[in-house]
Amino acid sequence: EIVLTQSPGTLCLSPGERATLSCRASQSVNSNYLAWYQQKPGQAPRLLIYAASSRATGIPDRFSGSGSGTDFTLTISRLEPEDFAVYSCQQYSASPTFGQGTKVEMK
Amino acid sequence: EVQMLQSGGGLVQPGGSLRLSCAASGFKFSSYVMSWVRQAPGKGLEWVSAITNSGRNTYYADSVTGRFTISRDNSKNTLYLQMNSLRAEDTAIYYCARDASSGSYYWPYWGQGVLVTVSS
Repeated sequence: EIVLTQSPGTLCLSPGERATLSCRASQSVNSNYLAWYQQKPGQAPRLLIYAASSRATGIPDRFSGSGSGTDFTLTISRLEPEDFAVYSCQQYSASPTFGQGTKVEMK
Repeated sequence: EVQMLQSGGGLVQPGGSLRLSCAASGFKFSSYVMSWVRQAPGKGLEWVSAITNSGRNTYYADSVTGRFTISRDNSKNTLYLQMNSLRAEDTAIYYCARDASSGSYYWPYWGQGVLVTVSS
């Protein structure tokens, strides 16, 4: 099983600031089969990024993904009020697994 | 518009059974791998099971193998999860999810989720 570890656990930022979220895999994620999701309370996850750096349909370009191998990053260039949520990474190069999530909260 | 409407959640005693359903619309159901993903209270997401578009092949997380059975009825555009021998640790919101493209195993489309509570 590929274990994904996200850091930090919580990120306290203000609107307009840049958010950088990390996802580290216990072994290499083949073909960069890594996705990022956003989740708000009481809602299903929303796909943001797939294949490590491709934005899903309708996702604003302030969201970007990067990385390869075992280290991946989700960047939100300028936080909007609606971006405060929990973000989870997920690998699909083996049996799918998720990270534990990073909560982005308003300072 | 892709839609997946879930039903079947509720309270069940340890050792009991429950069947979840996920009625899909807005896409050709028989063309896509479908999955179940769950989220325990205050915890992260966990992939549970997947079924190929024909229903011929099924896959399970180790945590549910031998207890849960995924199935589909392509004539009814409906996905199922039969859960037996339920344990307290199966308490979670259960989501059905559709692949981006068949076999891609990341999910742009999700049901609304149903809560399963296993408690005496």
